[in-house]
Amino acid sequence: SYELTQPPSVSVSPGQTARITCSADGLSKQYAYWYQQKPGQAPVLLIYKDNETPSGTPERFSGSSSGTTVTLTISGVQAEDEADYYCQSADSSGTHVVFGGGTKLTVL
Amino acid sequence: EVQLVESGGGLVQPGGSLRLSCAASGFTFSSYELNWVRQAPGKGLEWVSYIGRDGTTIYYADSVKGRFTISRDNAKISLFLQMNSLRAEDTAVYYCAREDSRRYGPNAFDIWGQGTRVTVSS
Repeated sequence: SYELTQPPSVSVSPGQTARITCSADGLSKQYAYWYQQKPGQAPVLLIYKDNETPSGTPERFSGSSSGTTVTLTISGVQAEDEADYYCQSADSSGTHVVFGGGTKLTVL
Repeated sequence: EVQLVESGGGLVQPGGSLRLSCAASGFTFSSYELNWVRQAPGKGLEWVSYIGRDGTTIYYADSVKGRFTISRDNAKISLFLQMNSLRAEDTAVYYCAREDSRRYGPNAFDIWGQGTRVTVSS
């Protein structure tokens, strides 16, 4: 089955840059999306089509893509950014959505 | 306000059934694709099922295919998930999620409900 691989955790100090990666062979052919989920809350769409941001996403969040890896970058991390982050894509047919295992961002 | 509100969760015995509902408001329901996504306690997100705008295109995750049925009633602006033959591993918070593929691309879930909890246990 198709899997997206994320690091389980990333830690960063306030004001620093956090980078969360998501890898899979199919990412070169399907768009990737990023969601932020805080405890007890529903996920929120952060990045769409690899690197575009919906209105409402703070400017410090950006996405990029290189081959089979997509990256979520948070520049100037703030305490409020502490959350779980999930990448999402689809299988080669586009009919089955897949989420990465999630990355817990800790702001030290 | 654009909103999705799930209901119908609860405690059910293994092998039992449950029907989840998701009521929409604040947008033209029939213009959007919809999905169910679940999250087991302490675990990540797992996509469950998709339904197209008119209800004729439907997909399921392998883990629920043959046991779960997704449907929608555009007149009643509601989404449903009929869950049969429930197993302990189906225990999760179930979210309905709006897919705005025209604005954000295929499989982009831009609006989520608050979730409804399903517990499968004897």
